[in-house]
Amino acid sequence: QQQVKQSPQSLIVQKGGISIINCAYENTAFDYFPWYQQFPGKGPALLIAIRPDVSEKKEGRFTISFNKSAKQFSLHIMDSQPGDSATYFCAASTDSNTGKLIFGQGTTLQVKP
Amino acid sequence: DAGITQSPRHKVTETGTPVTLRCHQTENHRYMYWYRQDPGHGLRLIHYSYGVKDTDKGEVSDGYSVSRSKTEDFLLTLESATSSQTSVYFCAIGTSGDYEQYFGPGTRLTVT
Repeated sequence: QQQVKQSPQSLIVQKGGISIINCAYENTAFDYFPWYQQFPGKGPALLIAIRPDVSEKKEGRFTISFNKSAKQFSLHIMDSQPGDSATYFCAASTDSNTGKLIFGQGTTLQVKP
Repeated sequence: DAGITQSPRHKVTETGTPVTLRCHQTENHRYMYWYRQDPGHGLRLIHYSYGVKDTDKGEVSDGYSVSRSKTEDFLLTLESATSSQTSVYFCAIGTSGDYEQYFGPGTRLTVT
């Protein structure tokens, strides 16, 4: 019940296209859903996050869509660029005291020029 | 990398030897975390600390121990390294009541 399942494992998108990565969870107590971006040889960095009281959050070309009833959330990257090529992780948490995160398996995105 | 350093950055060791990885922060954050990253598994929490000398287990703690004698340092020890502990290890820091975590650059550990 603590798992977060992420798909697809890898994704290839043409420059200018839309990249979509999906995550599903079971634990309805999760109350924070971040997305992390990781470039090769670097540590993950927070990209965008959402709480379950809103259905969508947008920051620039990155949007999180949240479907509480389906227990799913997704990351949309509009106008994808080669510089967006990275590994993306979704995560979830239910413990603001410790900040512990449960991560998805990761998606490797390649944006072709 | 938000004032977080990890050492060593790369290490090759033999099965059965002890290994200690160090995480050092200059942000004075209360929380520190150790994760391992493996293909197909994402990031999995090994141990975390919520203050000096206060630590707790994560989801994959078997075979690992930690210590935190100072706010700025969090050590991860593999008492007797095994090949299954070959991985990339990340340290992260966070503040109380805030979910956001800042990750270090990672340590690539190979156990032969």
